[in-house]
Amino acid sequence: DVKVTQSSRYLVKRTGEKVFLECVQDMDHENMFWYRQDPGLGLRLIYFSYDVKMKEKGDIPEGYSVSREKKERFSLILESASTNQTSMYLCASSSPGGQGSTYEQYFGPGTRLTVT
Amino acid sequence: AQKITQTQPGMFVQEKEAVTLDCTYDTSDPSYGLFWYKQPSSGEMIFLIYQGSYDQQNATEGRYSLNFQKARKSANLVISASQLGDSAMYFCAMREKSTGRRALTFGSGTRLQVQP
Repeated sequence: DVKVTQSSRYLVKRTGEKVFLECVQDMDHENMFWYRQDPGLGLRLIYFSYDVKMKEKGDIPEGYSVSREKKERFSLILESASTNQTSMYLCASSSPGGQGSTYEQYFGPGTRLTVT
Repeated sequence: AQKITQTQPGMFVQEKEAVTLDCTYDTSDPSYGLFWYKQPSSGEMIFLIYQGSYDQQNATEGRYSLNFQKARKSANLVISASQLGDSAMYFCAMREKSTGRRALTFGSGTRLQVQP
């Protein structure tokens, strides 16, 4: 079974702190994603990586950066946390796909971040 | 414009009855995939079912089926014989294949509560 793990289930940080959210997958997937989930808005893509050191901005990248130094690990960084970044953060991974692939994404358990 | 619309914020269903969760989508891409995910209160996203835009048959997975009406751009999830464990948030998502976008676009979700 694919396993995607996230470093923390719950995190409380202060405004202005630098925050690292870590995600690790064990299926040798090329693609990794960071989403943010807010009530009534569903999941929104923050950043995406399709290979080591390769990244693309998603729909809401402002205030975030990412790092992918190893294939299995994808980190989300909040350079200076703000209260409007209080949210649920979900990491996902998927294979590059191919003919007949569904490009199904496998998700981690999520990190609920509170910024005070 | 919303790419994925889920118009039912919340739904109730009696145990053992069938329930339909609505999803409409908007795309001009002829090649796309539609997904349904379940998110229990624990937070993890569980993949339920997939429908490709060129698939001739409606997808089925156990008690889950996808009522795919391409001309109406709808992809409703039908859960037969509801169980208490089906109580969760349900998200409809889409991947537009021709754009090269590898991430999914999610709807806002429907909270289903199964009553005994």
